[in-house]
Amino acid sequence: GQQVMQIPQYQHVQEGEDFTTYCNSSTTLSNIQWYKQRPGGHPVFLIQLVKSGEVKKQKRLTFQFGEAKKNSSLHITATQTTDVGTYFCAGRASGTYKYIFGTGTRLKVLA
Amino acid sequence: DAGVIQSPRHEVTEMGQEVTLRCKPISGHDYLFWYRQTMMRGLELLIYFNNNVPIDDSGMPEDRFSAKMPNASFSTLKIQPSEPRDSAVYFCASSLVYRVSGTSRNYNEQFFGPGTRLTVL
Repeated sequence: GQQVMQIPQYQHVQEGEDFTTYCNSSTTLSNIQWYKQRPGGHPVFLIQLVKSGEVKKQKRLTFQFGEAKKNSSLHITATQTTDVGTYFCAGRASGTYKYIFGTGTRLKVLA
Repeated sequence: DAGVIQSPRHEVTEMGQEVTLRCKPISGHDYLFWYRQTMMRGLELLIYFNNNVPIDDSGMPEDRFSAKMPNASFSTLKIQPSEPRDSAVYFCASSLVYRVSGTSRNYNEQFFGPGTRLTVL
């Protein structure tokens, strides 16, 4: 079945450093979504990417969808302590509204 | 809007007991999803509904798990009998599929509830 992997599993950075998490799907995706989950909280939607090669920015966050629509990345510039949490990608294959969540990357920001 | 509402927030029960988790989706949303989150298995989709009809239940672990959506504003996930390995956080999420005008692209961000932390002793 469809699998979605993320790397790294954990990342500790100093405040102000950049951070990137990568998401890889075993199958071609119709679209991909990114979520953030704070410790003890629930996943919160960040963005959805639909087009091959799409790049979207939200302030310090940059999201990319690969040309083959099988991978994606999230890059945070100049991390802040408020960025702490686990970042998940979630991929959807065509013909379904079933999303497969990635394994997540847990980000810790040291002040 | 109050967002997705789940109850109870915490549930502690003994092995063999029946457990019922409840979810009220955001009004007007046409999709409802049940997820389970554990450290070992991450965030797993159990089942999802469209307009109250179950579409894909391939993630339901076994016959002990059942889910219903009797109307657009309520869904339940039942475990009978419960086992210690069912201990997890169970999330309900809802979404509304919409199409951006002039495109063929569907958008459907999922709104998650606060979750129910289930502990089976």
